[in-house]
Amino acid sequence: AQSVSQHNHHVILSEAASLELGCNYSYGGTVNLFWYVQYPGQHLQLLLKYFSGDPLVKGIKGFEAEFIKSKFSFNLRKPSVQWSDTAEYFCAAEGAGATNKLIFGTGTLLAVQP
Amino acid sequence: GAVVSQHPSRVICKSGTSVKIECRSLDFQATTMFWYRQFPKQSLMLMATSNEGSKATYEQGVEKDKFLINHASLTLSTLTVTSAHPEDSSFYICSARDAIKLFFGSGTQLSVL
Repeated sequence: AQSVSQHNHHVILSEAASLELGCNYSYGGTVNLFWYVQYPGQHLQLLLKYFSGDPLVKGIKGFEAEFIKSKFSFNLRKPSVQWSDTAEYFCAAEGAGATNKLIFGTGTLLAVQP
Repeated sequence: GAVVSQHPSRVICKSGTSVKIECRSLDFQATTMFWYRQFPKQSLMLMATSNEGSKATYEQGVEKDKFLINHASLTLSTLTVTSAHPEDSSFYICSARDAIKLFFGSGTQLSVL
């Protein structure tokens, strides 16, 4: 069955610490991968996406993610977090075919302490 | 844990018909729900924010009369695509938040012939 799993449900970091949020997917065939963020009181925003090409994808606000096909992973990273990165982060995957059923992970709540 | 149930998961309809999609929050009350759509090879786009007991807030470019949203109770929001046309074919997904976390429905794949 198709699924997306995020290992970290709740992460607490101090400012300037490095961040890595895990995401693994289970999908038959080629996938497109996304990371979304929802800041407090706002709706979802796209952080970055991977469709093809360079497996290291850079997104907004200094975030990046690496697609490792052999590990079925698409982990999100940021070298140095800020208090303003406090938010909820969602990994999502869809089949690369015409039917674009998007599946979300359960999300990770990130709290960055000043 | 809290779950958001979305129904139907897939619908195929003829052009000109209306389609209703339901989004229910199970085990929690959601005063606000969000409706998104996604076109192939694109990211999610917020269509509207559904507020219980009041009118939905639509994003710019989203036709209110085309995409009717009703949030009649704290656990149910519905999106009705009125007089659907092939260009409305898309993936629609709802989300709702309990006191802490955001949860997503499983999505609805709409195909208009």
